[in-house]
Amino acid sequence: AQRVTQPEKLLSVFKGAPVELKCNYSYSGSPELFWYVQYSRQRLQLLLRHISRESIKGFTADLNKGETSFHLKKPFAQEEDSAMYYCALIARGGNKLTFGTGTQLKVEL
Amino acid sequence: GAVVSQHPSWVICKSGTSVKIECRSLDFQATTMFWYRQFPKQSLMLMATSNEGSKATYEQGVEKDKFLINHASLTLSTLTVTSAHPEDSSFYICSARDARLVEKLFFGSGTQLSVL
Repeated sequence: AQRVTQPEKLLSVFKGAPVELKCNYSYSGSPELFWYVQYSRQRLQLLLRHISRESIKGFTADLNKGETSFHLKKPFAQEEDSAMYYCALIARGGNKLTFGTGTQLKVEL
Repeated sequence: GAVVSQHPSWVICKSGTSVKIECRSLDFQATTMFWYRQFPKQSLMLMATSNEGSKATYEQGVEKDKFLINHASLTLSTLTVTSAHPEDSSFYICSARDARLVEKLFFGSGTQLSVL
């Protein structure tokens, strides 16, 4: 069975401070990992996926297979980053997306 | 970008009635759509996978006779909550996979169902 764990329900940081949203997963095979974001009153949308190895809105995430983690990082938080962030996993070649419980990021001035 | 329209966004109904939620892909064809349920402060839980022209695949513990899913066309899937009860009150979200970009999922804005 696949499982995604986001240990923090709420993360509060000051503007300009570094951000790290934690995500750990359990899956016996080779997974694909994603980060989704939901801004206030908006729909869930894809932020980034590990296969792309891209940086979106200053966020990056590296898949660490040894630690089974896919933490989301940004060096300098911005006020507009305040949102709900979900880590998600899909089995390679699979169809089902498994979500973590989400972390509410609050960036304070 | 691709848009998934979900309707209604909010519905209140009496216990025992049925409620239909629509999920439409507006500018792409979706061979597969997914229905999720989210309780307050909890994760999105996959309920079922809906494939166009075939029966939906339900996750363990989801009653298929209670949550009827129809995916009659490449742009529309519906979820009908039959004989709704207060415990069915939840936030329901659909997502659609673009047939051309199978690795991309697009989400609807969700439907808040409140059963009195």
